Amino acid sequence: DTGVSQNPRHKITKRGQNVTFRCDPISEHNRLYWYRQTLGQGPEFLTYFQNEAQLEKSRLLSDRFSAERPKGSFSTLEIQRTEQGDSAMYLCASRSGGTGANEQFFGPGTRLTVL
Amino acid sequence: AQSVTQLDSHVSVSEGTPVLLRCNYSSSYSPSLFWYVQHPNKGLQLLLKYTSAATLVKGINGFEAEFKKSETSFHLTKPSAHMSDAAEYFCVVSVAGRRALTFGSGTRLQVQP
Repeated sequence: DTGVSQNPRHKITKRGQNVTFRCDPISEHNRLYWYRQTLGQGPEFLTYFQNEAQLEKSRLLSDRFSAERPKGSFSTLEIQRTEQGDSAMYLCASRSGGTGANEQFFGPGTRLTVL
Repeated sequence: AQSVTQLDSHVSVSEGTPVLLRCNYSSSYSPSLFWYVQHPNKGLQLLLKYTSAATLVKGINGFEAEFKKSETSFHLTKPSAHMSDAAEYFCVVSVAGRRALTFGSGTRLQVQP
């Protein structure tokens, strides 16, 4: 399967713990996005990478959140001191470069439950 | 600023009848518009996209959408619903220079036998 993959698919944690999610984009895609989707809502943008550079961060991305893409390939999203409000589906997407409206390809998501 | 409003949170149709999912957008610039579908426990999949070429866009699985600038609408249609069409559908807008997609809140399509 050459699509976007995300691990783990599910994560249950206790409030206050740290969690880390991984996203492996489609190999030739240099652009990578993280979104968060809460129940009954559409995905909301969190952050964007072009190669290894983090070029945009949403105001939703509080200082407890950090994302990296160290070698311009896979990316990690870490949440420190989790809160119950962090419970959501975290989606990763990738696309090829260029200024056109190229499709973003989405992974299956990581569902986080904070108890 | 850009935004998307999906006018119906739930739509229920009978199998074999037409589907209409409504979407209005707001954008300061010429937008690109998309429809994505999300099946349970599966990733978002692109149905179709509008990028300022033909205003009537055909997508996968028999879906199509028409861009109407005067009405700022991008409604999704299908002539005949199939049981496998039951899913969540998202209308999405993107403008040049804004890297992220802006999603609507979604429309859940139910298909009755």
